[in-house]
Amino acid sequence: NAGVMQNPRHLVRRRGQEARLRCSPMKGHSHVYWYRQLPEEGLKFMVYLQKENIIDESGMPKERFSAEFPKEGPSILRIQQVVRGDSAAYFCASSYGTSGAGEQYFGPGTRLTVT
Amino acid sequence: GDSVTQMEGPVTLSEEAFLTINCTYTATGYPSLFWYVQYPGEGLQLLLKATKADDKGSNKGFEATYRKETTSFHLEKGSVQVSDSAVYFCALMSTSGTYKYIFGTGTRLKVLA
Repeated sequence: NAGVMQNPRHLVRRRGQEARLRCSPMKGHSHVYWYRQLPEEGLKFMVYLQKENIIDESGMPKERFSAEFPKEGPSILRIQQVVRGDSAAYFCASSYGTSGAGEQYFGPGTRLTVT
Repeated sequence: GDSVTQMEGPVTLSEEAFLTINCTYTATGYPSLFWYVQYPGEGLQLLLKATKADDKGSNKGFEATYRKETTSFHLEKGSVQVSDSAVYFCALMSTSGTYKYIFGTGTRLKVLA
């Protein structure tokens, strides 16, 4: 069973461009979480999604950031008009079960660098 | 709201030394508790977990006991190796209903040969 997949692993964008980060959960997992890790800091929760639904986006910046988890295909975290402060590692995690209370399995992360 | 506090690093030890990394938490109810390890340039790997009071999680020589009375989940290892050098994160699963993880700031461990 393949683990959580994230791509790209490294992404370089210039200020003002868009960044799209993709996450494929483990097979059979229907809950996806996105976390952001700023340099030398811990991970901070951004958003929790189930298929076609955003359940909790309390950690998402109000502007420029959006997330989706369509019926088919990976979950996407989209950052519009990136700024230098968006440079960070973005981790996706998935869990199984009907309630989302299962253990979360983390992907390898996407390291975004904004120049 | 829920929070996790862990000791600041870096922690530098000689090989075969005893390791303790302190972690305390604040939460309503009884959250599940985790320790994750992150090697340079990599993602997070689950090291161990405990889901209820007095549970002891263990893996690869690491142990941590869920102490409800002191709201703590300290990580210990009796004899560290150079290969244990990494950043260790303590985390809890939120009890607020959406199961998000709340992480501590991480503790960097460096083990010298």
